[in-house]
Amino acid sequence: SQLAEENSWALSVHEGESVTVNCSYKTSITALQWYRQKSGKGPAQLILIRSNEREKRNGRLRATLDTSSQSSSLSITATRCEDTAVYFCATDHHQGGRALIFGTGTTVSVSP
Amino acid sequence: GALVYQYPRRTICKSGTSMRMECQAVGFQATSVAWYRQSPQKTFELIALSTVNSAIKYEQNFTQEKFPISHPNLSFSSMTVLNAYLEDRGLYLCGARQGGQNTLYFGAGTRLSVL
Repeated sequence: SQLAEENSWALSVHEGESVTVNCSYKTSITALQWYRQKSGKGPAQLILIRSNEREKRNGRLRATLDTSSQSSSLSITATRCEDTAVYFCATDHHQGGRALIFGTGTTVSVSP
Repeated sequence: GALVYQYPRRTICKSGTSMRMECQAVGFQATSVAWYRQSPQKTFELIALSTVNSAIKYEQNFTQEKFPISHPNLSFSSMTVLNAYLEDRGLYLCGARQGGQNTLYFGAGTRLSVL
């Protein structure tokens, strides 16, 4: 079963604009991670936010976490064409261990 | 930096035949490796989690008999798709992590097509 999911299939913005991807999850977590997958590549981690954190920043990226509503968001400011990718949230596997469960992904397209 | 290489990048096999894919970690010790299959719609399915010196844990709908995995050392893992059929098509990704770290480092995947 899908334990994490993004709330939008696809978002389109123009360069320089901001975009926010949202994610909801269904189990208790110790941390939530955001990954980005560009065409022809594997996913790459962008941000990890722990359950006791409310916000985390990494350059133009800002992740928030609301454990009461079991939701997270990833915002990208001053978007660039190279930000075009599929964005996934991922949570710990429900049976523990060292695997992650990925959401269904949101395609973000940044046009000139 | 931490890198993961997967090969082959693409493979085509006849229905009912088998193919092996490999995953190599460079620059870190891959104490655990998670194998995923990604659909054309980008959905991830976790196949199994392999940890060095521990039993491999397969997810529901995936078995060792169908997807045998080898993880002989801290830099290499391989998985075979036995008796591949159309439903086995997809992009197979390996994600490796070191020790207690949370980050999974992924390869670019092996895309399997079945004729």
